[in-house]
Amino acid sequence: NAGVTQTPKFQVLKTGQSMTLQCAQDMNHEYMSWYRQDPGMGLRLIHYSVGAGITDQGEVPNGYNVSRSTTEDFPLRLLSAAPSQTSVYFCASSRTDSEAFFGQGTRLTVV
Amino acid sequence: AQRVTQPEKLLSVFKGAPVELKCNYSYSGSPELFWYVQYSRQRLQLLLRHISRESIKGFTADLNKGETSFHLKKPFAQEEDSAMYYCALSPRGSNYKLTFGKGTLLTVNP
Repeated sequence: NAGVTQTPKFQVLKTGQSMTLQCAQDMNHEYMSWYRQDPGMGLRLIHYSVGAGITDQGEVPNGYNVSRSTTEDFPLRLLSAAPSQTSVYFCASSRTDSEAFFGQGTRLTVV
Repeated sequence: AQRVTQPEKLLSVFKGAPVELKCNYSYSGSPELFWYVQYSRQRLQLLLRHISRESIKGFTADLNKGETSFHLKKPFAQEEDSAMYYCALSPRGSNYKLTFGKGTLLTVNP
């Protein structure tokens, strides 16, 4: 079982560059979320989706865009990368009354 | 605003000793409470959720609504329990909107 798959695992960007972090799940889960993990901060919710075509903002959405065109995929776009976006990014998926399943994470460094 | 507080960043115990990882929360309403664990180089995974009342890997957690706490306990720690532990909450039925504490790094020494 693949579960939740994130690509890439590591990425280095220059300030101002854009990129897309990919997240795919094969469990037919309706809900998907993006979190960032910073040292001493725990995980914070960036954006989430409750179904294809439906997204909403979490606690720290600035600088990020999302879309959900299919049930399986939930990409996170950085429009113009900033050093403050250096973090580890986790994607999660779930359904009603289930646990949230997390991907392996993407470690992003913005220089 | 909802908040999860884990007062200990680091916790170190010896193998066989009891361990308690503290978690307090603030939330207006009845949230769902969870404990997630992240072992070295592995993804975050669910350890416990309060509604299931299960004991996983010898860990238990009791929800105390009066004290708004959800402490994680294990009577006899094992070396393989060494990991980062996160307490988290979500609104009922909204497990896609988790609020996490800052985490406690547990080290179990031989």
